Amino acid sequence: GAGVSQSPSNKVTEKGKDVELRCDPISGHTALYWYRQSLGQGLEFLIYFQGNSAPDKSGLPSDRFSAERTGGSVSTLTIQRTQQEDSAVYLCASSLDSGNLNEQFFGPGTRLTVL
Amino acid sequence: AQRVTQPEKLLSVFKGAPVELKCNYSYSGSPELFWYVQYSRQRLQLLLRHISRESIKGFTADLNKGETSFHLKKPFAQEEDSAMYYCALKPGTASKLTFGTGTRLQVTL
Repeated sequence: GAGVSQSPSNKVTEKGKDVELRCDPISGHTALYWYRQSLGQGLEFLIYFQGNSAPDKSGLPSDRFSAERTGGSVSTLTIQRTQQEDSAVYLCASSLDSGNLNEQFFGPGTRLTVL
Repeated sequence: AQRVTQPEKLLSVFKGAPVELKCNYSYSGSPELFWYVQYSRQRLQLLLRHISRESIKGFTADLNKGETSFHLKKPFAQEEDSAMYYCALKPGTASKLTFGTGTRLQVTL
């Protein structure tokens, strides 16, 4: 079946603009995660959804970042008033649920460039 | 807070040579440890996890709680092993993964 998909694959924006990144998880997966990979850095956790609620938002770097998930499926990560330091690859992952034995399956990522 | 350290950014070995990718962690509880791999132009995927105690593509990793390490090993490297490898930790009750900065393995002829 289809894996996790993300759109757009690339996004170039100007500093100060808002951007929306989309994630379509694997059908039936109730847990969804957003990570960020900046140049020279490892993957950094941003936020985790179980169903439509977000029990852990601890990784969101500032209040310019927000995310929502509707219908227990698609999730959108929104970055307002983008800054150059927001440039990174944003990865989405999903798992069957949040239990320890459930593998996280990753999408291809969205490469965000803020000019 | 938990932390994962991968001291090598790049590891270059010859085909047929043994490989060891180092991973050390800090966490006060009982973590679950993983190795993820990203081949060129492919998405990040799970390679193996410590609780499975399995060998995948010839790779093994043993959790050493005394040394807080989870090094990835393979006795004979192959060209197709060239990729980016990430060690990751999942705290006992949390769902998120904490990743290291990754090691690029380059296998040359």
